[in-house]
Amino acid sequence: AQSVTQPDIHITVSEGASLELRCNYSYGATPYLFWYVQSPGQGLQLLLKYFSGDTLVQGIKGFEAEFKRSQSSFNLRKPSVHWSDAAEYFCAVFKAAGNKLTFGGGTRVLVKP
Amino acid sequence: NAGVTQTPKFQVLKTGQSMTLQCAQDMNHEYMSWYRQDPGMGLRLIHYSVGAGITDQGEVPNGYNVSRSTTEDFPLRLLSAAPSQTSVYFCASSRDRGSHEQYFGPGTRLTVT
Repeated sequence: AQSVTQPDIHITVSEGASLELRCNYSYGATPYLFWYVQSPGQGLQLLLKYFSGDTLVQGIKGFEAEFKRSQSSFNLRKPSVHWSDAAEYFCAVFKAAGNKLTFGGGTRVLVKP
Repeated sequence: NAGVTQTPKFQVLKTGQSMTLQCAQDMNHEYMSWYRQDPGMGLRLIHYSVGAGITDQGEVPNGYNVSRSTTEDFPLRLLSAAPSQTSVYFCASSRDRGSHEQYFGPGTRLTVT
């Protein structure tokens, strides 16, 4: 079985401050991991992905994520948040059988001026 | 390319009514999927297709039917709508079995009264 947990439902951060979103997964094999962002009323956009190799991956919009196998984590970070980063963020694990993405419950990020 | 398109954007149904949510992609992708998004639960897979003429069930298939007569189109049918099917529905596609990365449509917000 596999699952993805995002422990924080909401996070509020000041503009210009750093942001870290947590993601823990449970999966028996080498995971393929993703972070998606959903702006209000929009579909999901891929921020970044990890398949193998360097455990620190860079994505779009200045985001990065670090894969830590020992902690079963794939946390998303951004050094300095912009107001346009207010959105909901989803971590996902890919399961090869069925081409299936399993999503976490999401973390909603609010950005204070 | 238009990418993945979905129609309608919004729909209100009465309990017991049937309808079809449309999804089309112009990227010649083999894989297409339908997800529903409910607060705090992320996205859950309803049905998926690995190619024209081939479909299979996901996590929450009850009350939904799909077919894949062409590569481009993957409609989702609600046979007899129930209030529990009130949700936001997303269609997604990916290039092939080894791609892993899914592209999402803008979503259809469905309310069943």
